[in-house]
Amino acid sequence: DVKVTQSSRYLVKRTGEKVFLECVQDMDHENMFWYRQDPGLGLRLIYFSYDVKMKEKGDIPEGYSVSREKKERFSLILESASTNQTSMYLCASSFNAPAENAPTDTQYFGPGTRLTVL
Amino acid sequence: KQEVTQIPAALSVPEGENLVLNCSFTDSAIYNLQWFRQDPGKGLTSLLLIQSSQREQTSGRLNASLDKSSGRSTLYIAASQPGDSATYLCAVGQIGDDMRFGAGTRLTVKP
Repeated sequence: DVKVTQSSRYLVKRTGEKVFLECVQDMDHENMFWYRQDPGLGLRLIYFSYDVKMKEKGDIPEGYSVSREKKERFSLILESASTNQTSMYLCASSFNAPAENAPTDTQYFGPGTRLTVL
Repeated sequence: KQEVTQIPAALSVPEGENLVLNCSFTDSAIYNLQWFRQDPGKGLTSLLLIQSSQREQTSGRLNASLDKSSGRSTLYIAASQPGDSATYLCAVGQIGDDMRFGAGTRLTVKP
């Protein structure tokens, strides 16, 4: 079974602190993603990475950065946490989808980190 | 930009009832569509994945259909059980774009 783990389930930080959220997957997936989920807004993509040291901005990258030094690990960094970054953060990983009829490229999600910024 | 809508936002049904959850999307040029389940405070679990060339997928009591031309998908749950209570999200994949998620339908099945 694919396993995606996140470093913390619950995290409480103060405004201005630097926050690291870590995600590890054990299936040698090329792609990794960071989303935030807020009530009524669904999941919104923050950043994704399709290879080591590669990163691409998603819909809402402002206030965040990422790091992918190893294939299995994708870190989300809040350089200076703010109260509007209080949210549920979800990490996911997937294989590359080479063609229309590829068997599957489903994303596998971690359990989430609920971050509260006071 | 693809937009994904799920209606209703919340649904409550008695145990044993058959039910349908709806998902609509604005751009029919999709690669695939997935239905996920999310339990409170937890991550997403993939239920069914429908490739763009397929019309439906089935897994146990779940059946998902896809009508690309009308921009709709439905998730049918037969003989609902209290353990089915969760939030159900649909997500659309497109070549050259990120996966787009709906906001979800929160389902409560009452014993």
